[in-house]
Amino acid sequence: RKEVEQDPGPFNVPEGATVAFNCTYSNSASQSFFWYRQDCRKEPKLLMSVYSSGNEDGRFTAQLNRASQYISLLIRDSKLSDSATYLCVVTGAGNMLTFGGGTRLMVKP
Amino acid sequence: ETGVTQTPRHLVMGMTNKKSLKCEQHLGHNAMYWYKQSAKKPLELMFVYNFKEQTENNSVPSRFSPECPNSSHLFLHLHTLQPEDSALYLCASSRPRQTTNEKLFFGSGTQLSVL
Repeated sequence: RKEVEQDPGPFNVPEGATVAFNCTYSNSASQSFFWYRQDCRKEPKLLMSVYSSGNEDGRFTAQLNRASQYISLLIRDSKLSDSATYLCVVTGAGNMLTFGGGTRLMVKP
Repeated sequence: ETGVTQTPRHLVMGMTNKKSLKCEQHLGHNAMYWYKQSAKKPLELMFVYNFKEQTENNSVPSRFSPECPNSSHLFLHLHTLQPEDSALYLCASSRPRQTTNEKLFFGSGTQLSVL
């Protein structure tokens, strides 16, 4: 089983839609969770941290489910500019950050 | 700008060449990282430096040689690379690594092609 697993997509959604991604992780001792965004041929950039109580930043909501070992990212009212690859990042073995393969989102007009 | 700058942005080299990638961070961080991103694969951690000391070497072949002269600068020296080493090489920095991980700030990367 991969340490951090994501559906690669692509998720094709119309503007204004709500879309959600899940990410599962294998290390039950993981302490830190993040979502990064990576545009084509660009570097990953931190989108948001994921806290146990869940957190919201504008149209973006992140949730953590420790019992089932997954985190989620919900995007409401999708914009064309949300098109990107979303990387799930979790502390893995040796307490190092481990990246998932990413989920590609394409928002269409 | 991210505060982490990498040069060159693009590099094409033959298998017998020697080249170096450079990374500089202006964020006052004390941890620096090299990651490799190949097509359709997750980012792979290569090396970690914490306060200029190498703390992680993720089974990277010796044809990749890192150097960290100070907390702001990180190099990746390349020699006798193979075509499968072609990838995007990303430098990142963070506050010092402790028991929980700090957020990473990435440079724009060097797109490397080995012919």
